Amino acid sequence: DADVTQTPRNRITKTGKRIMLECSQTKGHDRMYWYRQDPGLGLRLIYYSFDVKDINKGEISDGYSVSRQAQAKFSLSLESAIPNQTALYFCATSAGLAGLQETQYFGPGTRLLVL
Amino acid sequence: DQQVKQNSPSLSVQEGRISILNCDYTNSMFDYFLWYKKYPAEGPTFLISISSIKDKNEDGRFTVFLNKSAKHLSLHIVPSQPGDSAVYFCAAATSGSRLTFGEGTQLTVNP
Repeated sequence: DADVTQTPRNRITKTGKRIMLECSQTKGHDRMYWYRQDPGLGLRLIYYSFDVKDINKGEISDGYSVSRQAQAKFSLSLESAIPNQTALYFCATSAGLAGLQETQYFGPGTRLLVL
Repeated sequence: DQQVKQNSPSLSVQEGRISILNCDYTNSMFDYFLWYKKYPAEGPTFLISISSIKDKNEDGRFTVFLNKSAKHLSLHIVPSQPGDSAVYFCAAATSGSRLTFGEGTQLTVNP
């Protein structure tokens, strides 16, 4: 079974609609992240959470919000979707070992198309 | 301000030859560097990393080289195999902080 899962895997929505992307992990990690990937731009960080009570903006948080419902769950919301939010979205986790360099583990991604 | 840059969007090599993927960074505070590999319809997967206290790290066919004075990172794959065809992202971080990713390089290994 996958350690980091994302639902849905694909979604088509219309401009102005609210949409939620969900991420769950079984790795027992404290830290969770949301990224988007656009062609030629690599992976850009939207929001991240170092524990259940901690939420931080990344480099491109405008138009997005997140909720950390539990250690294992981190959801990303688009309150009013717009076409330039069409992208591939990835959730990731890391162990959060203080002071140590760490690796992030990614989910399979959600492909979102906003019409 | 793109702190991590992969200037080659694509690279094509013959099976059995060496693949060299390059990455440059501007933030001298970065002290941890990683390479991720991504196949279509899958999330990125961790490949290899290097700490700034080293200049080389090897894992099987994969070797990462770090030149701190030039702020340059490279990934060598030898010998290259068709299954290595994927998008490769380099990433960098300071200790305990979030990762900054490059744009990615599409590697194609031709049989």
